[in-house]
Amino acid sequence: DSGVTQTPKHLITATGQRVTLRCSPRSGDLSVYWYQQSLDQGLQFLIQYYNGEERAKGNILERFSAQQFPDLHSELNLSSLELGDSALYFCASSSWVDSGNTIYFGEGSWLTVV
Amino acid sequence: DAKTTQPPSMDCAEGRAANLPCNHSTISGNEYVYWYRQIHSQGPQYIIHGLKNNETNEMASLIITEDRKSSTLILPHATLRDTAVYYCIVRVVNNAGNMLTFGGGTRLMVKP
Repeated sequence: DSGVTQTPKHLITATGQRVTLRCSPRSGDLSVYWYQQSLDQGLQFLIQYYNGEERAKGNILERFSAQQFPDLHSELNLSSLELGDSALYFCASSSWVDSGNTIYFGEGSWLTVV
Repeated sequence: DAKTTQPPSMDCAEGRAANLPCNHSTISGNEYVYWYRQIHSQGPQYIIHGLKNNETNEMASLIITEDRKSSTLILPHATLRDTAVYYCIVRVVNNAGNMLTFGGGTRLMVKP
């Protein structure tokens, strides 16, 4: 158990809809990262937050957005969903103080768009 | 971050050591070598990391060449549960954290 918690574990929704994926980082971790893994793309970095502020952005679509709240949990919002958005979405967290910023991953949220 | 090169797949007999190579010839002096693995759609699992010295923990050993251009992850006694995709990643570490950039990894198949 990495200590990173993601909900929901599985989600099925229709095209055009909007979903929110939630991540609780390890206790005290200030950095949160979001990754997408689809069958043909491997693990793709989407976005990183550090202590509530966006720190780095990867290949995140404009239809996707994220935020990190004062209690350090994070949400990834996916809107106007398309079939191609079906993927595993991973959240990860890290802490300089606790682990020299080694990144630990949650078990992911499976999103299926039908 | 520097890119890494790994063989796409490897086999290993159960109980034998698995030696997974990684080439990172363009690594910078402040970049660490990290190893993660992913067991069939589970979250990537941290294994070990190092800067220039060899490292060992309860899961594996990491051997980094003196010029730091390559490294080897060693699983001393592979079991069937070690079947996974193994990722070698180089990464600068700072106090706010930097993301990991995953490549294709090595698919390790441990066989009975």
